[in-house]
Amino acid sequence: EAQVTQNPRYLITVTGKKLTVTCSQNMNHEYMSWYRQDPGLGLRQIYYSMNVEVTDKGDVPEGYKVSRKEKRNFPLILESPSPNQTSLYFCASSFWGRLNQETQYFGPGTRLLVL
Amino acid sequence: QKEVEQNSGPLSVPEGAIASLNCTYSDRGSQSFFWYRQYSGKSPELIMFIYSNGDKEDGRFTAQLNKASQYVSLLIRDSQPSDSATYLCAVILDNYGQNFVFGPGTRLSVLP
Repeated sequence: EAQVTQNPRYLITVTGKKLTVTCSQNMNHEYMSWYRQDPGLGLRQIYYSMNVEVTDKGDVPEGYKVSRKEKRNFPLILESPSPNQTSLYFCASSFWGRLNQETQYFGPGTRLLVL
Repeated sequence: QKEVEQNSGPLSVPEGAIASLNCTYSDRGSQSFFWYRQYSGKSPELIMFIYSNGDKEDGRFTAQLNKASQYVSLLIRDSQPSDSATYLCAVILDNYGQNFVFGPGTRLSVLP
């Protein structure tokens, strides 16, 4: 089954304790992204990756790191989490298909609470 | 700063009616436009993609794009209670780019 998986799905942590949220896709997609979703603000892109070892900042990259060492994996790292990073996080992978159409698939989300 | 704006709603329509969802964007260079549906507690799912001016139809859904007015809309014909969800508009600046900008979403409620 084609899917994007994220782990963990729920996480409660404390300020300053480093954490990693993993993301994996089994569709051989070139492109992957991380988003956060907050009430009233919608989805905001944190980082995206065009290919292995190619990453770029989205609109809200501060406080986050990413890496793309393998095509299928795109982990999100919070080196020193703060309460303002409490949010719902989505990973997504996408490809440009025929007829110049892009299709983006989202993972199930990771709900993070930073105390 | 790229911005995408939508009415937050809720937009309520009776079952069987046409639901009209609107989105405006600030960056005139935006190339590709997307509509996603997100049920409560679930992840977004793509329902429409459009990049040319005019209309694009897919089943009960029609996306309309007017680049001169920087406006994209989604029409849902014969609305069903199962269409009740939040609809997210998104744009990217360049074709084959990946810098997505999403609007805040419009919550649609279809009343039986």
